[in-house]
Amino acid sequence: QSVLTQPPSASGTPGQRVTISCSGSSSNIGSNYVYWYQQLPGTAPKLLIYRNNQRPSGVPDRFSGSKSGTSASLAISGLRSEDEADYYCAAWDDSLSGYWVFGGGTKLTVL
Amino acid sequence: EVQLVESGGGLVQPGRSLRLSCAASGFTFDDYAMHWVRQAPGKGLEWVSGISWNSGSIGYADSVKGRFTISRDNAKNSLYLQMNSLRAEDTALYYCAKDTALIVGATKGCFDYWGQGTLVTVSS
Repeated sequence: QSVLTQPPSASGTPGQRVTISCSGSSSNIGSNYVYWYQQLPGTAPKLLIYRNNQRPSGVPDRFSGSKSGTSASLAISGLRSEDEADYYCAAWDDSLSGYWVFGGGTKLTVL
Repeated sequence: EVQLVESGGGLVQPGRSLRLSCAASGFTFDDYAMHWVRQAPGKGLEWVSGISWNSGSIGYADSVKGRFTISRDNAKNSLYLQMNSLRAEDTALYYCAKDTALIVGATKGCFDYWGQGTLVTVSS
């Protein structure tokens, strides 16, 4: 069971806007930045969003992140077939000696 | 271009040991913390361990604490993971990941580059 909670699946049709939620607690999302990773089938994860809402160079502005309290969300607008992937949220957790925590992942299907 | 190449995975019996390596290139290795993150077959990501730029700060997931040891050799641009007392639940693809900060858990740190992973299978 993951520390951060994500829906296991999401779907949309090309051109639609979809959102993926990530719920945590005061020791992780509530007090630290949230990061989002995209994992295309058979590949390593790729950084998609950093510090809640920043995009690395090369990531299309169709991808956006937000955070409020102990929850965060990833939005993908103008959905494309190549966006079909697993998406993971991550945050540092300050409890105990500190450690990184991930969500369980959301499999996005483009119908 | 940042490159992280893992090696050392394989099939190992429960209770035995294995040492993973990660060769880094394309960036100044000793300017960044480094991590191991694993992914069991068909499952999500799990942080295993992280080490600061000078090995002064190290962290482990509870699931591996006392069994795994992370280390680095900045002269060789290499990261290591010594895995002892392996269990079936350690079976996973192990990724090496670069941090954006010097230390593990830095306020603005995260994993910005990942290797392709090395597969560890623990089975009799």
